[in-house]
Amino acid sequence: GAVVSQHPSRVICKSGTSVKIECRSLDFQATTMFWYRQFPKKSLMLMATSNEGSKATYEQGVEKDKFLINHASLTLSTLTVTSAHPEDSSFYICSAPLAAGGPTEAFFGQGTRLTVV
Amino acid sequence: GNSVTQMEGPVTLSEEAFLTINCTYTATGYPSLFWYVQYPGEGLQLLLKATKADDKGSNKGFEATYRKETTSFHLEKGSVQVSDSAVYFCALSIQAGTALIFGKGTTLSVSS
Repeated sequence: GAVVSQHPSRVICKSGTSVKIECRSLDFQATTMFWYRQFPKKSLMLMATSNEGSKATYEQGVEKDKFLINHASLTLSTLTVTSAHPEDSSFYICSAPLAAGGPTEAFFGQGTRLTVV
Repeated sequence: GNSVTQMEGPVTLSEEAFLTINCTYTATGYPSLFWYVQYPGEGLQLLLKATKADDKGSNKGFEATYRKETTSFHLEKGSVQVSDSAVYFCALSIQAGTALIFGKGTTLSVSS
């Protein structure tokens, strides 16, 4: 089946530094990918939609200058947390839907646990 | 707007007990419905899905039936195992290629 790979799975960084998270679709092309943030009480918050070849679409309340998204190719999207602070510590998950036309299930990466110290 | 409501739990069961996790939805049009499972420290895995009314999705002993009249998609399993301990998310999709809309997740803890 379709696989989405996310890297790294865990990262610890110092406050003020930037961290890049990669999301790859391994056996299918994804013109669209989604980035979620998961809070301690489990809820998943959609942060942004990553579009290959164009700018990402951010959800209301998400700072686009802080969470930079680049969709460099049909199989790779990256999320960069810039000038990270402890409140950015969270579990970040990417997903990619299969091509349009069928049941629009999405495949998820393994998630990245970011800890800012 | 479109939304998913599911019981938040936690749900604590003994091994071999019957499981039900309720999920209801509000949506315009005709959504596809999904259950995803998240094991500790991992991403989400698709458990089962249904794309139209009266469809039943099933996988690994879990079942859910798409009930349009009650706008529900309740997850059931006849006999849970310790290995089923995880967080379960109900979700819907309105349009191809758009982000899924998730419920808040239900934590299931099964003890032997």
